[in-house]
Amino acid sequence: GQQVMQIPQYQHVQEGEDFTTYCNSSTTLSNIQWYKQRPGGHPVFLIQLVKSGEVKKQKRLTFQFGEAKKNSSLHITATQTTDVGTYFCAGDGGSNYKLTFGKGTLLTVNP
Amino acid sequence: GAVVSQHPSWVICKSGTSVKIECRSLDFQATTMFWYRQFPKQSLMLMATSNEGSKATYEQGVEKDKFLINHASLTLSTLTVTSAHPEDSSFYICSAMSSASSYEQYFGPGTRLTVT
Repeated sequence: GQQVMQIPQYQHVQEGEDFTTYCNSSTTLSNIQWYKQRPGGHPVFLIQLVKSGEVKKQKRLTFQFGEAKKNSSLHITATQTTDVGTYFCAGDGGSNYKLTFGKGTLLTVNP
Repeated sequence: GAVVSQHPSWVICKSGTSVKIECRSLDFQATTMFWYRQFPKQSLMLMATSNEGSKATYEQGVEKDKFLINHASLTLSTLTVTSAHPEDSSFYICSAMSSASSYEQYFGPGTRLTVT
């Protein structure tokens, strides 16, 4: 079945440093989505990438979808303490909108 | 908009009993709802896909007779954990998708189940 690998598992940064998490799917995806889960909370939708090579920005967050639609990345510029949480990528293989989640990257930010 | 609620938010039950968890879309009609399970500090594992008016589709390895799913209306899906055991203790999260949202899943706040 479809597998989605995500690295790193943990990332600790100083406030102001950049952060990147990477996602790789074993199969070509219809689209990929990114979610953020704060400690004790539930996943919150951040963005969806559909097109090959797509790049989208949300303020300090930059999302990329690979040309082969099998990998993706999330980059945060100049992290802030409010960025703390676990970032999940979730791949949609095109089968009834089912998402396969990566294991997530837990980001902690030292003020 | 796009709010999903879950009830209860947490529940403690004894082994052998059954627990029902409700997932409601409050301000939209959810043609499809998903049920996930999340262990501490781990990822979300899809358990089943629930479509209104039809039988749920379970993922491989998920016992359909143990985790009963009913999607009786466009705003409500329920997950019943039958004959619960301590290993069923987990965080259960539902998500809902509307026909108008184009892939985006809206997650409920989750239900923490502890089986003693």
